[in-house]
Amino acid sequence: ETGVTQSPTHLIKTRGQQVTLRCSSQSGHNTVSWYQQALGQGPQFIFQYYREEENGRGNFPPRFSGLQFPNYSSELNVNALELDDSALYLCASSDGQTLNEKLFFGSGTQLSVL
Amino acid sequence: ILNVEQSPQSLHVQEGDSTNFTCSFPSSNFYALHWYRWETAKSPEALFVMTLNGDEKKKGRISATLNTKEGYSYLYIKGSQPEDSATYLCAFIGSARQLTFGSGTQLTVLP
Repeated sequence: ETGVTQSPTHLIKTRGQQVTLRCSSQSGHNTVSWYQQALGQGPQFIFQYYREEENGRGNFPPRFSGLQFPNYSSELNVNALELDDSALYLCASSDGQTLNEKLFFGSGTQLSVL
Repeated sequence: ILNVEQSPQSLHVQEGDSTNFTCSFPSSNFYALHWYRWETAKSPEALFVMTLNGDEKKKGRISATLNTKEGYSYLYIKGSQPEDSATYLCAFIGSARQLTFGSGTQLTVLP
C-alpha cells in the first residue's frame, strides 16, 4: 500500500474529447509526477510538479497539462484526445524534488480512446 | 532521446533458482538509478535508489549493484519464490532530472 490513489481506474473516451485524471499523493509529499505507459513499453515521464509549480516536463505536447493543489492532490488534463493517448497513466509522489528518493506510485488509470 | 535498456525482456525460472537481470543506461551525466518491482494489478513498488558508482543495495533476497562508468546496473534475486513474479523496471535519471524508464524484465517463478 503506497498511500497514493488514482481515479478513475478505467475510463473510455472518444477522439477529440477532453479528460481529467486525478491523483491523491501521500500526505506531506510535495512532489508529484505523471507517467504514460503504452502497451509493451516502460512508463514515459509527462511532467512533474513541486509545490504547485511545474518543474519538469517530458516530450509531450501542450494539450497535456496538469495542476497540483495544496491538499496533496493533483490532476492530469488531456485535451483533444487522440487514439494514441490510449494508455495507462500513473502518478507518483515523493518527499523532495531531487529524485534521489523513492517514488510512491498509484495503481494507475487505464484510458481507452475510441 | 536517452536509451535505457533492460535485458532479458522476460525470464522464467524455477522456484529456488537465483537469477539476475541488467539495466543499461548512458554513462554520462549520471544522477541516480531507481529499481521498481511491479506486480500485476498493483502499483510499482520502489526497491532501490542508487546514486554512487559501486553502490550495492540489498533488501531481503534482492540486491543490486551499480556501475556508472560503464553504464549498467544488475539486479539479483537469490532463491526465487513465486511471489517474486513481477515486472522489474529500472529508471535512469541524468542531468535533465527526469526519470527515463526501461521497458522492464518480466520474471515468472514457476513452483
